[in-house]
Amino acid sequence: EPEVTQTPSHQVTQMGQEVILRCVPISNHLYFYWYRQILGQKVEFLVSFYNNEISEKSEIFDDQFSVERPDGSNFTLKIRSTKLEDSAMYFCASSWRGGRNTEAFFGQGTRLTVV
Amino acid sequence: SQQGEEDPQALSIQEGENATMNCSYKTSINNLQWYRQNSGRGLVHLILIRSNEREKHSGRLRVTLDTSKKSSSLLITASRAADTASYFCATVPISNTGNQFYFGTGTSLTVIP
Repeated sequence: EPEVTQTPSHQVTQMGQEVILRCVPISNHLYFYWYRQILGQKVEFLVSFYNNEISEKSEIFDDQFSVERPDGSNFTLKIRSTKLEDSAMYFCASSWRGGRNTEAFFGQGTRLTVV
Repeated sequence: SQQGEEDPQALSIQEGENATMNCSYKTSINNLQWYRQNSGRGLVHLILIRSNEREKHSGRLRVTLDTSKKSSSLLITASRAADTASYFCATVPISNTGNQFYFGTGTSLTVIP
């Protein structure tokens, strides 16, 4: 069964460092998302991406964050200068159509720990 | 905020019993979806119910939706130990472009063998 894959599964980084979280969405999907879940809290929307551009973003997704689909298969989330509060599980998701019409498939997540 | 709230926050039942979880939300929706999350793992899609549907079944899962009360319930029948996980509802509001899911706080279900 097709699945969304994320790498790495766990990333530890020093405060102020840049990190890139990688995702390979399901191959025929057109919509891509990043969500995060701080330990013990809700899953929060960060950004959605369609047709090679951001379609929606939340207040969390400030100038420190960026997304890219560099080669037609990978979908990356970059955090330029990490803060302690960026520590969370980051989930990539993809869907064939926009969320109003179909379910999203989530990856297993990357646990980011900022020290 | 559109974000939903599930209740109860935690539920512990014996294997074989039924588990019912509820979700309430605030604004009109296009659809509502339920996801499961095993501890420390990703989110697994369970079922999607559209705003014009009232009930949907998938295997041992039964979902209801009451748009007048802005609430949904997830029933797992004949529970198994493997059903132990956190369950989240996610809504897609009518008001936005439909690409953003709003997740609830989750219900932590423990099924005791």
